[in-house]
Amino acid sequence: SQQGEEDPQALSIQEGENATMNCSYKTSINNLQWYRQNSGRGLVHLILIRSNEREKHSGRLRVTLDTSKKSSSLLITASRAADTASYFCAPGSGNTPLVFGKGTRLSVIA
Amino acid sequence: EAGVAQSPRYKIIEKRQSVAFWCNPISGHATLYWYQQILGQGPKLLIQFQNNGVVDDSQLPKDRFSAERLKGVDSTLKIQPAKLEDSAVYLCASSFMAQGAGEAFFGQGTRLTVV
Repeated sequence: SQQGEEDPQALSIQEGENATMNCSYKTSINNLQWYRQNSGRGLVHLILIRSNEREKHSGRLRVTLDTSKKSSSLLITASRAADTASYFCAPGSGNTPLVFGKGTRLSVIA
Repeated sequence: EAGVAQSPRYKIIEKRQSVAFWCNPISGHATLYWYQQILGQGPKLLIQFQNNGVVDDSQLPKDRFSAERLKGVDSTLKIQPAKLEDSAVYLCASSFMAQGAGEAFFGQGTRLTVV
């Protein structure tokens, strides 16, 4: 199974700033998903980007995918205290299960 | 639409005891996952079902862990006997799509403490 590697491991920003986190993976994919996990809760799906897409938006989220570099980035604009959570990427190749890396722990300070 | 239901929410047991967790996925979702998440780490896939068949259980410690999904709906995960290092949150997730092709929906998890 393919696992993404998120970077940085931890990120601390002020409310209103933008937060960027990255994901790298090793083999070719069909899609890549991003999930958020608030402390003590289950994961929540944020966005799915397909391998033929380069950028996708959802509200304050912007995801990019560069298949040539085998990397993706998640940008959260105008961050809020409620965005404090761990963020995970999950590369998918259609015949592999959904697996996760260690994630990026984001702290947004009010 | 009802979400993924898990029970119990919390469980404390002594080492060498047995424990079972239950998961009811979203109706119509053929794919069901069980994950183990140790504090400070990402979720680790234990087993994936497609309907009532096992797709991947390569990370399941089969000497003590077992899982089943009767009739391709509800699933139970059992640990027998438990060890201290089994203390973790056990997450269940389901998806309409097979493998990693689509969005997965997660339950709230069961927090297991082994003392």
